[in-house]
Amino acid sequence: LAKTTQPISMDSYEGQEVNITCSHNNIATNDYITWYQQFPSQGPRFIIQGYKTKVTNEVASLFIPADRKSSTLSLPRVSLSDTAVYYCLAGVNTDKLIFGTGTRLQVFP
Amino acid sequence: KAGVTQTPRYLIKTRGQQVTLSCSPISGHRSVSWYQQTPGQGLQFLFEYFSETQRNKGNFPGRFSGRQFSNSRSEMNVSTLELGDSALYLCASSLGPTGELETQYFGPGTRLLVL
Repeated sequence: LAKTTQPISMDSYEGQEVNITCSHNNIATNDYITWYQQFPSQGPRFIIQGYKTKVTNEVASLFIPADRKSSTLSLPRVSLSDTAVYYCLAGVNTDKLIFGTGTRLQVFP
Repeated sequence: KAGVTQTPRYLIKTRGQQVTLSCSPISGHRSVSWYQQTPGQGLQFLFEYFSETQRNKGNFPGRFSGRQFSNSRSEMNVSTLELGDSALYLCASSLGPTGELETQYFGPGTRLLVL
């Protein structure tokens, strides 16, 4: 199983770029890397998914180096509403997904 | 398109009782997964259903069961409730197994409190 390791918490200020790094040393060849965002008392919300190199969508970018043992979620110009818990997952089958403890991002004004 | 809906949103039960939670997936989605989230254990996978068949099951006791109907709606049942079953139960739907990791869309969850 591809276990992931993330920082427990991070602080930032509005307007800054936030980079959250995730370690997944035993990632399997066919595993994808997916990031979810969760607000209190809500279900996680899909942010971005990738397999290698770089993926960008309207809310974030995901950088994955060639060895795929880590990945970085980049949130450009965060706002107060980005305060949430961010989960990094590595896997291909639902039953093998491990959400872990996630990274609690606090954005200050 | 409506999102994943879960009912009820809140529930209070006592030890020894049983409970049934319901999940309606996004229209067109045929896969439904259930998760339990607690402060101590985080988000843990319970089981996944696709086309009315349980595809995968997490490491939970047999008191936790589920089923899926022909319209893809799913229910999960917990019998003989214990205090430790107090949690947020989340349902997620996806199109279905394609060989790639499907994006899962989560519902708001059902918060269960066992007294």
